[in-house]
Amino acid sequence: GAVVSQHPSWVICKSGTSVKIECRSLDFQATTMFWYRQFPKQSLMLMATSNEGSKATYEQGVEKDKFLINHASLTLSTLTVTSAHPEDSSFYICSAIQETQYFGPGTRLLVL
Amino acid sequence: LAKTTQPISMDSYEGQEVNITCSHNNIATNDYITWYQQFPSQGPRFIIQGYKTKVTNEVASLFIPADRKSSTLSLPRVSLSDTAVYYCLVGDQAGNNRKLIWGLGTSLAVNP
Repeated sequence: GAVVSQHPSWVICKSGTSVKIECRSLDFQATTMFWYRQFPKQSLMLMATSNEGSKATYEQGVEKDKFLINHASLTLSTLTVTSAHPEDSSFYICSAIQETQYFGPGTRLLVL
Repeated sequence: LAKTTQPISMDSYEGQEVNITCSHNNIATNDYITWYQQFPSQGPRFIIQGYKTKVTNEVASLFIPADRKSSTLSLPRVSLSDTAVYYCLVGDQAGNNRKLIWGLGTSLAVNP
């Protein structure tokens, strides 16, 4: 199947700083990528849809100014958590579609 | 939006066949059924997708009755490494997120 990568796999940061997470489709082009968040023992929650060359579409309740998404190329989408706070600590997962949806390995964010 | 219902947890032993059933009473005519596997701190991994009757690949089989209101994922001869959470989702074939609702999945524990 298609391969989606994420970087970094984990990150620890201080409260108030910004963190950028990259999502790449390694062997295919993806005009659309998705960003999810998953808290412990909970299911995946869709945060936003990243569209190459246009603005991202955010789900209800997700602050677009806090979670900045850039989809500058057909193989790369980035999620920047701005002014991170401890409650932003979570597991962030991206996905891309090639016939069906393929997921990245996830990024564990811990905000101290 | 099609909602799915799965057992919260299941227990099995190595070498046994495991069948996980998912209910999706409101499945739409053009919806596909997709199953994912997720290990702790990893992104979901695509297992199998189907529309009707039976689909089989190298890791699993998917049984879908004629009314399509349920589906059963069958894992032959499970091993300890199959211990994971299994998600059933219904949506369009490409996995359009806006039609997918991620439930809590089924936590499968395979015992020695």
